[in-house]
Amino acid sequence: KQEVTQIPAALSVPEGENLVLNCSFTDSAIYNLQWFRQDPGKGLTSLLLIQSSQREQTSGRLNASLDKSSGRSTLYIAASQPGDSATYLCAVRMDTGRRALTFGSGTRLQVQP
Amino acid sequence: KAGVTQTPRYLIKTRGQQVTLSCSPISGHRSVSWYQQTPGQGLQFLFEYFSETQRNKGNFPGRFSGRQFSNSRSEMNVSTLELGDSALYLCASSATSGSPYEQYFGPGTRLTVT
Repeated sequence: KQEVTQIPAALSVPEGENLVLNCSFTDSAIYNLQWFRQDPGKGLTSLLLIQSSQREQTSGRLNASLDKSSGRSTLYIAASQPGDSATYLCAVRMDTGRRALTFGSGTRLQVQP
Repeated sequence: KAGVTQTPRYLIKTRGQQVTLSCSPISGHRSVSWYQQTPGQGLQFLFEYFSETQRNKGNFPGRFSGRQFSNSRSEMNVSTLELGDSALYLCASSATSGSPYEQYFGPGTRLTVT
């Protein structure tokens, strides 16, 4: 059974800092990995999707990497801003069988102005 | 393109009642998935529909059911509501070509069971 872990559970940083969020998964037979952002009481916004054959994806100040063999992904946020404050979730889709997303419990990020 | 829409956004029901939630996917998306989000369990997969057929199902009791219509709109139903069913119910749609399985989520329906 796939398990996804996100560390840390919460993070508070001053504005302007670069930061890294971590995601690990137990079964490396994944199809893809997706990073989401969730604001309080809202739905999920897709940030980046990395296919299993890819090593990284970039979008603006965000960069996500994937090391499938070691079961790890990181989300790098450059020059953080107060508007980045949210919960960040990673989710993996398996390569075979039930292809539903398995989510981590998230990292709650607060960027202090 | 319009995003995934869910109705209603908020709902309050009493134990024992039943409820139906609706989801309209992004135009052209034929796959719709449902997830339950609670503070204790996080995000858990309920089921996925594709072309009006249930393709995958999570580990939820039979009180949770769903269906998909020919226009890809989907509904989920929860019968005999329990207090523990209080949650944010999220619907996601995905295309089956281009970026396969990238899921786009709706704003959710907040269900409160009293």
